[in-house]
Amino acid sequence: DTEVTQTPKHLVMGMTNKKSLKCEQHMGHRAMYWYKQKAKKPPELMFVYSYEKLSINESVPSRFSPECPNSSLLNLHLHALQPEDSALYLCASSPNPARGFEEQYFGPGTRLTVT
Amino acid sequence: AQSVTQLGSHVSVSEGALVLLRCNYSSSVPPYLFWYVQYPNQGLQLLLKYTSAATLVKGINGFEAEFKKSETSFHLTKPSAHMSDAAEYFCAVSSSNEKLTFGTGTRLTIIP
Repeated sequence: DTEVTQTPKHLVMGMTNKKSLKCEQHMGHRAMYWYKQKAKKPPELMFVYSYEKLSINESVPSRFSPECPNSSLLNLHLHALQPEDSALYLCASSPNPARGFEEQYFGPGTRLTVT
Repeated sequence: AQSVTQLGSHVSVSEGALVLLRCNYSSSVPPYLFWYVQYPNQGLQLLLKYTSAATLVKGINGFEAEFKKSETSFHLTKPSAHMSDAAEYFCAVSSSNEKLTFGTGTRLTIIP
């Protein structure tokens, strides 16, 4: 199994809702990432988990809350989002943390629309 | 600090013609360089990577890239474009940490 899966594929939520994005990989990777990608822009790193611990937070607003319950699963909890948070949210994984020469494997993304 | 610059946000080539997508990097340490492709409404897929072994790197779908330290470049090429190559292409750089820094992307259009 060499893929990263993300659910849901699409999500529409109001500004007062609470929702979660889910990411899963079964490749035994120990580094997992959340990216945000706006239209016609490159992905922007949000969070990095290394060995299930948060290692990098790119000054992301607290309305985004990541969670890594185990080595295969990564969640992104969303609360009180703003319309400008609408974007494609990408999850990625790589075999080992802090190994810059290892590629990241990306999921298909969740298209989030905040109304 | 590390960064990559992709020259040309939009490149159009005829089917069967040479594809050349440009990427220049800036890094204070020997870089690891990657090319990723993104098809509409999909995630990113690795095309190829340079990790200080061979300077000419071959990837999937007939793409290759050459690392040129003197020019700080890592341009992506394909001898003959196919309609299925139409996509967004991102050059990216990383060092020894977990951060991958992307260029702004180049949209490749193939003209029939």
